[in-house]
Amino acid sequence: AQSVTQLDSQVPVFEEAPVELRCNYSSSVSVYLFWYVQYPNQGLQLLLKYLSGSTLVKGINGFEAEFNKSQTSFHLRKPSVHISDTAEYFCAVSGNRGQGAQKLVFGQGTRLTINP
Amino acid sequence: DAGVTQSPTHLIKTRGQQVTLRCSPKSGHDTVSWYQQALGQGPQFIFQYYEEEERQRGNFPDRFSGHQFPNYSSELNVNALLLGDSALYLCASILASTDTQYFGPGTRLTVL
Repeated sequence: AQSVTQLDSQVPVFEEAPVELRCNYSSSVSVYLFWYVQYPNQGLQLLLKYLSGSTLVKGINGFEAEFNKSQTSFHLRKPSVHISDTAEYFCAVSGNRGQGAQKLVFGQGTRLTINP
Repeated sequence: DAGVTQSPTHLIKTRGQQVTLRCSPKSGHDTVSWYQQALGQGPQFIFQYYEEEERQRGNFPDRFSGHQFPNYSSELNVNALLLGDSALYLCASILASTDTQYFGPGTRLTVL
């Protein structure tokens, strides 16, 4: 079984400042990791994913995340945020293929608020 | 290429009633997962359908059931609705040979 902990429920940041949203996971098997964004009254949009290979993953809208297996973390970063980045961000984990693939386990979410 | 579509957008029911939610996956996708997102929470996995069979199931009671049709579209049925079933229900579309889930806009269910 897997679990995800998003360490901050809310993160306020000024526009053009850098931001890091923290995510830790636990799993007894190898995992795939994902970050999704949810704008108000909408579904989830995939920002980026780690399946294998390079531990630094780049996604849409200038976001990137780094997979750290020893620390079981997958923190999301952006060097300069915009007002339009205000949204709820979810970290998710799944077992990789052959070990319960495709059932996503989500964290509780981090509300990112960008202030002008 | 149409994305994942869900209907209806909003639904209001009373306790004890039954509800059916619908999902059409992206073109070419053959697997559908359903998630429940309570207010202020992350989505919780309900179940997944592939080749018209339930392949995986989360920790939800038997009141939650589903179906997948030959065209890969899917339905989520909830019987004997409880107030606690009020949530956003999300459908995710997957191509079975890949590992990425694409979510629809969701159906907001309110149980009074």
